[in-house]
Amino acid sequence: QKEVEQDPGPLSVPEGAIVSLNCTYSNSAFQYFMWYRQYSRKGPELLMYTYSSGNKEDGRFTAQVDKSSKYISLFIRDSQPSDSATYLCAMTNYNFNKFYFGSGTKLNVKP
Amino acid sequence: EAQVTQNPRYLITVTGKKLTVTCSQNMNHEYMSWYRQDPGLGLRQIYYSMNVEVTDKGDVPEGYKVSRKEKRNFPLILESPSPNQTSLYFCASSAVLSSYNSPLHFGNGTRLTVT
Repeated sequence: QKEVEQDPGPLSVPEGAIVSLNCTYSNSAFQYFMWYRQYSRKGPELLMYTYSSGNKEDGRFTAQVDKSSKYISLFIRDSQPSDSATYLCAMTNYNFNKFYFGSGTKLNVKP
Repeated sequence: EAQVTQNPRYLITVTGKKLTVTCSQNMNHEYMSWYRQDPGLGLRQIYYSMNVEVTDKGDVPEGYKVSRKEKRNFPLILESPSPNQTSLYFCASSAVLSSYNSPLHFGNGTRLTVT
């Protein structure tokens, strides 16, 4: 069983839609949760991070963590064509030395 | 400009021919790490280094070596590459990870093909 599971998509939505991206995990030791965005032929770049359970908002992006269900989400409001990319969830424990990534969800926002 | 630089971007080689992929960061980061990215499997950690002369295995270290003689450089060495090491490789760095405010900064990747 993979440590982190993520639906690969692809997910295709019209411009302006609300997008929901999700990951589940199995290791209850994970404490820090991150979302990365990866454009084609580029390295991943950090979008959001959260510690333990709860919500965090940054502009059009909201990250949610539910540790009791081992489930994390990223919501994108008013999606734009420039949001078209692959979104990767990542997590680590308090040692912050080994990171575990989901396989990524490919998002396409149509104009 | 703060960045992680990997070279080469593309590399085609033959089975058994030793190769090195270089990684350098100009942010004075203590932590550096190597990942491989394969379709359906996502990013998997190969090796990481918490500081100079300190390295440790990630989840898929077999067939790889690393060294950390200087803070800024963290080369990935394949002593005898095999076709199953064909993949997209990323190097990443981060400041001291006692604070979760230190994100991983990634390079732009090295696409390796082993025939």
